[in-house]
Amino acid sequence: EAGVAQSPRYKIIEKRQSVAFWCNPISGHATLYWYQQILGQGPKLLIQFQNNGVVDDSQLPKDRFSAERLKGVDSTLKIQPAKLEDSAVYLCASSFRQFNTGNTIYFGEGSWLTVV
Amino acid sequence: EDKVVQSPLSLVVHEGDTVTLNCSYEVTNFRSLLWYKQEKKAPTFLFMLTSSGIEKKSGRLSSILDKKELFSILNITATQTGDSAVYLCAVGLNTGTASKLTFGTGTRLQVTL
Repeated sequence: EAGVAQSPRYKIIEKRQSVAFWCNPISGHATLYWYQQILGQGPKLLIQFQNNGVVDDSQLPKDRFSAERLKGVDSTLKIQPAKLEDSAVYLCASSFRQFNTGNTIYFGEGSWLTVV
Repeated sequence: EDKVVQSPLSLVVHEGDTVTLNCSYEVTNFRSLLWYKQEKKAPTFLFMLTSSGIEKKSGRLSSILDKKELFSILNITATQTGDSAVYLCAVGLNTGTASKLTFGTGTRLQVTL
């Protein structure tokens, strides 16, 4: 089965510019997650969708980050304007249902962002 | 605040050694604990643990959970250079409206010849 697809894999932008990342989850997976992983740290959840609705965005910096999943499949994460501290890997993940006992989360290979 | 703490932060071993990685947690609404292996790409799933004292095993890797003492260990026997990676521990939580994973910072393992 195809895995979680993300693009672009790598992006370098200047601070105050904008960037968008795209994610296509595993077919049939209703739950989609965006994680931010700063070098040397574990992934931190930014936003979680169940189909096309947001169920947790408590750690999303809403003044500059936005995400949508309009048709309940693909998702886009946008950063505008970017700051130096946004340099990180942005991991998209999906699971069949909301994560609970028995549902594993599968990760994409990540989009590596460098803000200069 | 939910916390997941892994130790050691990093270690270097020789091929053939056995290593034990530790994960302790302080969280509310615990559901399960997961281990992932992360090389220079996506984290790949290793184990999910929900019950205390039941060892999960896959080849040279095994893991066990202690829900009373709030920790888990990941053992790797007869290590190989291909085991070099960051090992992430994550705790699955219920937050009322959502279920989510909270990760530790990882243990970086380097296996040398």
